Amino acid sequence: QSVLTQPPSASGTPGQRVTISCSGSSSNIGSNTVNWYQQLPGTAPKLLIYSNNQRPSGVPDRFSGSKSGTSASLAISGLQSEDEADYYCAAWDDSLNVWVFGGGTKLTVL
Amino acid sequence: QVQLQESGPGLVKPSQTLSLTCTVSGGSISSGGYYWSWIRQHPGKGLEWIGYIYYSGSTYYNPSLKSRVTISVDTSKNQFSLKLSSVTAADTAVYYCARARIAAAAPDFDYWGQGTLVTVSS
Repeated sequence: QSVLTQPPSASGTPGQRVTISCSGSSSNIGSNTVNWYQQLPGTAPKLLIYSNNQRPSGVPDRFSGSKSGTSASLAISGLQSEDEADYYCAAWDDSLNVWVFGGGTKLTVL
Repeated sequence: QVQLQESGPGLVKPSQTLSLTCTVSGGSISSGGYYWSWIRQHPGKGLEWIGYIYYSGSTYYNPSLKSRVTISVDTSKNQFSLKLSSVTAADTAVYYCARARIAAAAPDFDYWGQGTLVTVSS
């Protein structure tokens, strides 16, 4: 059981907007920034969003992140087939003194 | 462009020590500003942070693994290493090395190795 809670799956059709939620607590999301990682099939995770809502160079602006209280969200607009992947949220936990990850959300593009 | 590459045995016997090395290219471990990290992913599961090390040798470990983990750095070879002792089948996973970028708010893992599958079996 992951400390951060994500829905196990999400789906959308090309061009649609989808959101993936990440729920935590006051010791992690509530007091630290959230990062999001994209893991394409058979590859290593890739940093997608850092510091809640910042995109690394090269990440399309179709991807956006937000945080409110003890929850965070990743939004993907203009969904494309190549967005089909697993998405993980992550944050430092001040109580556990450990990086915690969500269980991952498998995004399917229908 | 920074690149990280894991290396080490893909098969380890139960009760033995898992040893992996990560070779960094395209940047110097000694340059500072980064933690050098190990993260694992059990088959079909999520991600688990193992720990990280600063170039000076300061280490930070996952408390749940701390008694069995040692992370070390060799700046002369631009490498860092993971040792996990007394392994069991539960340690079977893909092991990733990654760079954690130290930022004002909190680090993020901005570069990752391709990962290496380590199976614990007799």
